[in-house]
Amino acid sequence: QQQVKQSPQSLIVQKGGISIINCAYENTAFDYFPWYQQFPGKGPALLIAIRPDVSEKKEGRFTISFNKSAKQFSLHIMDSQPGDSATYFCAPWSGTSGSRLTFGEGTQLTVNP
Amino acid sequence: GAGVSQSPSNKVTEKGKDVELRCDPISGHTALYWYRQSLGQGLEFLIYFQGNSAPDKSGLPSDRFSAERTGGSVSTLTIQRTQQEDSAVYLCASSSNRLATEQFFGPGTRLTVL
Repeated sequence: QQQVKQSPQSLIVQKGGISIINCAYENTAFDYFPWYQQFPGKGPALLIAIRPDVSEKKEGRFTISFNKSAKQFSLHIMDSQPGDSATYFCAPWSGTSGSRLTFGEGTQLTVNP
Repeated sequence: GAGVSQSPSNKVTEKGKDVELRCDPISGHTALYWYRQSLGQGLEFLIYFQGNSAPDKSGLPSDRFSAERTGGSVSTLTIQRTQQEDSAVYLCASSSNRLATEQFFGPGTRLTVL
């Protein structure tokens, strides 16, 4: 059972452009919605996260938009930079039904200079 | 401070051999997780420890896989009679407690089974 679906699988944008990655989930018990960033040879690291009581959260160039009724959330990277080139994972979490992260399939982002 | 460390960073083994992978979590973190990252399977949960006990082992793919944690700190993931499909990057993560939302990942151990 695929609980978390992430799209697109890969994304190429030009420097200065906007990168948008989407995540759809099924489990309504999820109550924390993070995005993790992974560089080659490294483990994932938390980038930004949102709680379901707000619809949007912005941290610098990174924004999460959350749609509870549609069970979807997305990551927007404004003014994308070559240093943003990495793999991004949505990984919703539930504090009431286990503490594991449930990862999406990942999106490989390439930002061309 | 020090992050999560894992050893070895790379392990090449022959089919049928046993391997042990080690994880040193961030000091004071009571929750510890093992995940596996492989092509085609993405990142999948294996097992979760709270202290030395493992309340959730549901992600272990077969009885060839086992894990333990001692002293509420170091954890070892053991794979017996390795198979080629076990080839993957094994990632360990820790968090300050079960309800802590941020998990801190180590760099992983790349396992190759020939």
